Amino acid sequence: NAGVTQTPKFQVLKTGQSMTLQCAQDMNHNSMYWYRQDPGMGLRLIYYSASEGTTDKGEVPNGYNVSRLNKREFSLRLESAAPSQTSVYFCASAGGRPNYGYTFGSGTRLTVV
Amino acid sequence: GQQLNQSPQSMFIQEGEDVSMNCTSSSIFNTWLWYKQEPGEGPVLLIALYKAGELTSNGRLTAQFGITRKDSFLNISASIPSDVGIYFCAGPQTGGFKTIFGAGTRLFVKA
Repeated sequence: NAGVTQTPKFQVLKTGQSMTLQCAQDMNHNSMYWYRQDPGMGLRLIYYSASEGTTDKGEVPNGYNVSRLNKREFSLRLESAAPSQTSVYFCASAGGRPNYGYTFGSGTRLTVV
Repeated sequence: GQQLNQSPQSMFIQEGEDVSMNCTSSSIFNTWLWYKQEPGEGPVLLIALYKAGELTSNGRLTAQFGITRKDSFLNISASIPSDVGIYFCAGPQTGGFKTIFGAGTRLFVKA
């Protein structure tokens, strides 16, 4: 089915380890986003890419890096994981500006011990 | 920065009851979006509102864009167990690419 695919679905890391969360969309959307979701705090924007070749910081970018590999793929990298990065991570995409809403992936549940 | 305040934080209701929840901001938004997140999944767009005063329905769901453009309301009529989830309001920044999300209203429905 068309949509946003995130891998992996679950991951446990040790403090200091690195990993990359993958996201791909097949809707030919221009903009892509990474959010984290923590209990009681809703969704907070980490980074976004308005179009292929551009990336910008969101609300909580510290400790993360991103790559817009091509129009379909937008990856999120944790260089040195910390327990504070334990969260559920969602990738989303939109056709243009987000006025018509996002399509979200099903999330990556990350635990840092 | 811009913030969206959702209330209530959680609701415990009986099947068949109607539900109301709201979202307020100190800033004006030109678009209001309502999403539902089911357990283990990402949020899914339910309703989009584009005009102050607009009232839009999607099945048993009805949402309204407040006339001050600083609030929005979501009503669910005759709730059923599958309405369980977290309901988020969201407001895209005008002319930008960012969207602000509320903290969500968690709905529990008892059969």
